[in-house]
Amino acid sequence: AQKVTQAQTEISVVEKEDVTLDCVYETRDTTYYLFWYKQPPSGELVFLIRRNSFDEQNEISGRYSWNFQKSTSSFNFTITASQVVDSAVYFCALSERVYSGGGADGLTFGKGTHLIIQP
Amino acid sequence: ETGVTQTPRHLVMGMTNKKSLKCEQHLGHNAMYWYKQSAKKPLELMFVYSLEERVENNSVPSRFSPECPNSSHLFLHLHTLQPEDSALYLCASSQEAVVGVGNTEAFFGQGTRLTVV
Repeated sequence: AQKVTQAQTEISVVEKEDVTLDCVYETRDTTYYLFWYKQPPSGELVFLIRRNSFDEQNEISGRYSWNFQKSTSSFNFTITASQVVDSAVYFCALSERVYSGGGADGLTFGKGTHLIIQP
Repeated sequence: ETGVTQTPRHLVMGMTNKKSLKCEQHLGHNAMYWYKQSAKKPLELMFVYSLEERVENNSVPSRFSPECPNSSHLFLHLHTLQPEDSALYLCASSQEAVVGVGNTEAFFGQGTRLTVV
């Protein structure tokens, strides 16, 4: 069974600080996909980043970067030079390739981390 | 604008009412999903449709009834709901039923905030 754990319920930092959001996942599959989504107060989930299980290269995209470590089953997300507009709930999510039954599990989400950026 | 539109945005209904939530995607995707987001709980996958066929039903009570008449539209029919069903209901779509295949992601609508009184 899939499981995603975001241990940080809420993080509060001052604007321009760097902040890292933690995500630990569990899966039996060897092929899987990891995501980070942002949910502003308006409600919709906004896609941020995606990583495939077979590609552990870590990258930077603008102010976003991520650290994917298969050895520790972690997929942490960092915002550099945070801004007030970054305030939102951030979700880590996992998708497995299901081989049995031809079914699909969609995305399994963590409980989310509420990020507060203070001016 | 994500290409996934949900209506209505807000809905208040009594426990004896029947209502429907609508989702429409303009992305040409093959899979559509209903998620439930309650306070203090993670998003829960309710239903998955792939090419208009239901492929997943996560033990959802029968008072929730999905319908996918074509690949662009998804409905969630509601009847005799309970107050604990009050939540944000999110619709999503993706190119493939296994989200991530082909370097794709799921796109979400803004949700319907449902209050059962």
